[in-house]
Amino acid sequence: SAVISQKPSRDICQRGTSLTIQCQVDSQVTMMFWYRQQPGQSLTLIATANQGSEATYESGFVIDKFPISRPNLTFSTLTVSNMSPEDSSIYLCSALTGPGTNEKLFFGSGTQLSVL
Amino acid sequence: EDKVVQSPLSLVVHEGDTVTLNCSYEVTNFRSLLWYKQEKKAPTFLFMLTSSGIEKKSGRLSSILDKKELSSILNITATQTGDSAIYLCCLGTYKYIFGTGTRLKVLA
Repeated sequence: SAVISQKPSRDICQRGTSLTIQCQVDSQVTMMFWYRQQPGQSLTLIATANQGSEATYESGFVIDKFPISRPNLTFSTLTVSNMSPEDSSIYLCSALTGPGTNEKLFFGSGTQLSVL
Repeated sequence: EDKVVQSPLSLVVHEGDTVTLNCSYEVTNFRSLLWYKQEKKAPTFLFMLTSSGIEKKSGRLSSILDKKELSSILNITATQTGDSAIYLCCLGTYKYIFGTGTRLKVLA
């Protein structure tokens, strides 16, 4: 298993500003992902955070808006840039452990973001 | 494009009832299918299924995957109010994508 510390747990931000969310895993993991969950909806994959290289973004998400860093196998950040009220969501980081027959996707506690 | 569809979208039952939640998928390179329970912000892991078709069980919960039908079910027997949550199906390929979820409410 893995314990993932995510912070901040919530924030209220002004339009046009940026927020960086941090995610720390207590063990080395091969894959980390960032998800967004808009009110009343399921989880949408934003990107795969690749260690030492640029993240792989899903359709509808771009690096300029959601820059992601992953400097090592235990840490990643997601920045939500130039925020607007439409960015108000829960943001979740996740890490994959035990790839193969015992694989599990663990989640951080989430960041509740409200943009005014 | 890989796709995950869950049904029903929502369900209301009474304590003691048995429920079956469905997940169907379309995928190019299947790796695994995972079930989660979401009560607050972070989903909690329930089961991981592979194409082996082996049923997984944990207490009152069980799940199995049918690789011919490209689907999986999650069963909850003798439901309790604490089972009220959103249940998420997640398809694992080289990335992990989630279905719409099933919102379950168990009434006392």
